[in-house]
Amino acid sequence: DAGITQSPRHKVTETGTPVTLRCHQTENHRYMYWYRQDPGHGLRLIHYSYGVKDTDKGEVSDGYSVSRSKTEDFLLTLESATSSQTSVYFCAISNGNTEAFFGQGTRLTVV
Amino acid sequence: QKEVEQNSGPLSVPEGAIASLNCTYSDRGSQSFFWYRQYSGKSPELIMSIYSNGDKEDGRFTAQLNKASQYVSLLIRDSQPSDSATYLCAVNSGNTPLVFGKGTRLSVIA
Repeated sequence: DAGITQSPRHKVTETGTPVTLRCHQTENHRYMYWYRQDPGHGLRLIHYSYGVKDTDKGEVSDGYSVSRSKTEDFLLTLESATSSQTSVYFCAISNGNTEAFFGQGTRLTVV
Repeated sequence: QKEVEQNSGPLSVPEGAIASLNCTYSDRGSQSFFWYRQYSGKSPELIMSIYSNGDKEDGRFTAQLNKASQYVSLLIRDSQPSDSATYLCAVNSGNTPLVFGKGTRLSVIA
């Protein structure tokens, strides 16, 4: 496996609470991504980063924010979790126009 | 909006047969094409990448790309029950994030 670690792997949280998911890489890849995967929708891009402090929105960014203060860490924050954000979240890394490698995923349940 | 389309399946093939998975994409500027395999409850795993027209073979897997038709396919020869999974097609254009299809579920029947 590429050196990508997501934490936590599972989380149950209550509606309205903030939640932060962490992605840590040891590959020194420039690009990092957060996707969510839901039945019937496939993998959808939330946010991505193309360098330290350089981030951009994906197709489903509402309700999410990200930060990348170091090359190796990319954080995804749900400011106020909602039930519609119950999903499996995947972090991925790449060096641009090449293949992406995925972390193990985080299963988030908002009750 | 860039789109990648796949038949959701399930595609059922007998053990030992050839499984053929197809994908079309909307962005003519797409440059890189990938196939991922995802087992239930696991993360996507890269199995093939292809960048130019034609065929690329790796073991039992062959990726085929036709940029004029905006079509990419994956053939799995001598299909095994362990190949049963969801196969995701992914495409990107330059230094842009991968766009994924929704995946095709493959079932190989022993």
